[in-house]
Amino acid sequence: LAKITQPISMDSYEGQEVNITCSHNNIATNDYITWYQQFPSQGPRFIIQGYKTKVTNEVASLFIPADRKSSTLSLPRVSLSDTAVYYCLVGDVRDTGRRALTFGSGTRLQVQP
Amino acid sequence: KAGVTQTPRYLIKTRGQQVTLSCSPISGHRSVSWYQQTPGQGLQFLFEYFSETQRNKGNFPGRFSGRQFSNSRSEMNVSTLELGDSALYLCASSFPTSPLYPNTGELFFGEGSRLTVL
Repeated sequence: LAKITQPISMDSYEGQEVNITCSHNNIATNDYITWYQQFPSQGPRFIIQGYKTKVTNEVASLFIPADRKSSTLSLPRVSLSDTAVYYCLVGDVRDTGRRALTFGSGTRLQVQP
Repeated sequence: KAGVTQTPRYLIKTRGQQVTLSCSPISGHRSVSWYQQTPGQGLQFLFEYFSETQRNKGNFPGRFSGRQFSNSRSEMNVSTLELGDSALYLCASSFPTSPLYPNTGELFFGEGSRLTVL
């Protein structure tokens, strides 16, 4: 299983860009990197997924270097509602059943006004 | 489209008892996976079911078991409860992997069942 490391917490202010890095040194060839957001008393919610280089959607960007041993979730212009815990997930999500999925320990993002 | 539904949302048990949690996936999703979430250990994979078959299992003792029915609904059971089993149990469903229907890999989570063991 992949060993995943994330910062425990981060603080930011409204309107700033936030970058959360995830380290996954022993990522496997078939593994994808997925980020989830979780609010208290709710299940995690999908943010973005990528395999290599850069992926962008309407809420975030995901940067993955060539060696794929780390990834960075970028949240542009955060607001108070982005205060949540962010989880990095590494695993072969497209091949369900062959590997257990491994979540990082989560990064608690606090956005201040 | 209805989301993933987990029942019950909250429950309290005592040590030694057993508990059964239920999960109804999004219509059309055939893969259901279960996770335990605790402040100390974070999100940990329990097991995954696809078409009524357990496809993978995390590193949990045999007291944790599950099953999936023909309608894709799933249940997990924990027997001989211990204090350390107190946690939020999350269920997630996803679209099956198939050459005809590529899977984006997105997991759709329910809101969880919060179990307290006294």
